[in-house]
Amino acid sequence: AQTVTQSQPEMSVQEAETVTLSCTYDTSENNYYLFWYKQPPSRQMILVIRQEAYKQQNATENRFSVNFQKAAKSFSLKISDSQLGDTAMYFCAYDRSGAGNMLTFGGGTRLMVKP
Amino acid sequence: NAGVTQTPKFQVLKTGQSMTLQCAQDMNHNSMYWYRQDPGMGLRLIYYSASEGTTDKGEVPNGYNVSRLNKREFSLRLESAAPSQTSVYFCATSEKVARPGEQFFGPGTRLTVL
Repeated sequence: AQTVTQSQPEMSVQEAETVTLSCTYDTSENNYYLFWYKQPPSRQMILVIRQEAYKQQNATENRFSVNFQKAAKSFSLKISDSQLGDTAMYFCAYDRSGAGNMLTFGGGTRLMVKP
Repeated sequence: NAGVTQTPKFQVLKTGQSMTLQCAQDMNHNSMYWYRQDPGMGLRLIYYSASEGTTDKGEVPNGYNVSRLNKREFSLRLESAAPSQTSVYFCATSEKVARPGEQFFGPGTRLTVL
């Protein structure tokens, strides 16, 4: 079974600074997808960024980027120029082969951006 | 477009009562999912429906049933609610051809079982 681990339950960062959230996963698959989802206090789950395992290039979406280390099974999220609106729970998630049928989530990291 | 909608937003039940959580989507997606989120934890998959007419168990299906009424609607039923089912329930959809693996979530239903 796949497992996803987020080792940082809580983090904080000053506004405009950079923060990195960690995620590791366990799988025997070669092709899969990884995601970071954001859950603000409104509870709405919002996709932040996705990475396809067969692509070596790290995904980027504006201020959000990932460091994908396939051999190490590591998938960290870097948030640059942090904004107050980035305050939220962040969940790392794994999907085997893009089937979209069994997303496995990590336990989450609560990020607080301080003014 | 409303995206993914869930009703109700909040519900309080007594142990042993039954209820159905409703989910509807206007995104024309084939796949739909039900998750539960317990305090301080990530989401866990209860059931999913890869396409209209099919349903499959996820990680934590015990105590739940589902119905994929049509392409738009996917309901989750608790036949005899237990306090252990107190949680926030999320419905989600996906379309694997266009955006493999990505799921779109509803706003959630907060359920308390006393």
